[in-house]
Amino acid sequence: AQSVTQLDSHVSVSEGTPVLLRCNYSSSYSPSLFWYVQHPNKGLQLLLKYTSAATLVKGINGFEAEFKKSETSFHLTKPSAHMSDAAEYFCVVRREYGNKLVFGAGTILRVKS
Amino acid sequence: DAMVIQNPRYQVTQFGKPVTLSCSQTLNHNVMYWYQQKSSQAPKLLFHYYDKDFNNEADTPDNFQSRRPNTSFCFLDIRSPGLGDAAMYLCATRAGGTPEDGYTFGSGTRLTVV
Repeated sequence: AQSVTQLDSHVSVSEGTPVLLRCNYSSSYSPSLFWYVQHPNKGLQLLLKYTSAATLVKGINGFEAEFKKSETSFHLTKPSAHMSDAAEYFCVVRREYGNKLVFGAGTILRVKS
Repeated sequence: DAMVIQNPRYQVTQFGKPVTLSCSQTLNHNVMYWYQQKSSQAPKLLFHYYDKDFNNEADTPDNFQSRRPNTSFCFLDIRSPGLGDAAMYLCATRAGGTPEDGYTFGSGTRLTVV
């Protein structure tokens, strides 16, 4: 069965410093992977997705993620954090059977001024 | 803009009093999903429609029902809400073509049970 594990429940960075949110996946086939962001009391917004094309995926708001099959990882990065990046981030894998999304537990990103 | 709209944004209901949450979409997507997200937890899929075909997750309580009268609208009915049903409810759509078609989420309805 497909699943994702977000390695950190909380990450705190200073404004202007790099962001790294870690995600490992488990899948018996080449997965489709997504990162979503959720600001407080808001819905989910797609940041980026990997669908077996380029392994380095660029998303919105300066975020990118690299698919590493050898490490079964799909970490989310951003070179320079902005205050508006403070939110919860979900790593998500598409479940092959039934074509549904399976969410990780989420990582709350805090950005300090 | 084409989008997924959930109404209301905030809903307060009484313990045991039936409540209906609504979702509409202008994307003409075939697939519509309902997720439940409790505080500090990941969204959990309740059920989805592929066109008119209803698909229930195995662990979705019987208390939760859904209707999809047409392509644009999908409703979540909670027959007898309990305190444990307080959550954010998210609606999502997908075109239903290739598996990599993007999912579009609504802004959610936050349900409070008093």
